[in-house]
Amino acid sequence: ETGVTQSPTHLIKTRGQQVTLRCSSQSGHNTVSWYQQALGQGPQFIFQYYREEENGRGNFPPRFSGLQFPNYSSELNVNALELDDSALYLCASTANRAYNEQFFGPGTRLTVL
Amino acid sequence: EDQVTQSPEALRLQEGESSSLNCSYTVSGLRGLFWYRQDPGKGPEFLFTLYSAGEEKEKERLKATLTKKESFLHITAPKPEDSATYLCAGPGRGNTPLVFGKGTRLSVIA
Repeated sequence: ETGVTQSPTHLIKTRGQQVTLRCSSQSGHNTVSWYQQALGQGPQFIFQYYREEENGRGNFPPRFSGLQFPNYSSELNVNALELDDSALYLCASTANRAYNEQFFGPGTRLTVL
Repeated sequence: EDQVTQSPEALRLQEGESSSLNCSYTVSGLRGLFWYRQDPGKGPEFLFTLYSAGEEKEKERLKATLTKKESFLHITAPKPEDSATYLCAGPGRGNTPLVFGKGTRLSVIA
């Protein structure tokens, strides 16, 4: 069984740029969620995708957007990067959108200068 | 607003010194309480799900318990490799899958 994978591991961008982060869900999981984790904080929910549709969104502005593909992999896009976007971005997958037990990938560390 | 609060923020133990971490929640209609372990710079690793008051689950030196208002993660005779941040989470409202606490940063000294 393959776990959740994310790429890249680390990324450095400058303010105003755009970034795309990628996630492959765990085998058999059809629902993907993205979280932002600032230093010293717990993960904060950004949005969730189920069957290629956004299925829920946290308190994040529209410049945070996403996609889910037919193979259930997913992308997180962030436009007009701000310094406060520096964080660990986590992808989690679950077997069913109504099932809250989520399995996380290793994360992408984004630094915005 | 759904909230998950963890205490203490940080805990330093000697190897073999047992202790407990606390998680209190105000999530209405709780549909599971989740514990994760997170090592620095890595993603959270799933530990336990608890669904009803009185439920207990164990894994090696860890035991999680649940009451109507809070959960405890008991660590018995910890070892240095148990050092990590322990996160507690509950389901959020609507389509929010999980609401996390800030975590307890545990250090076990040999």
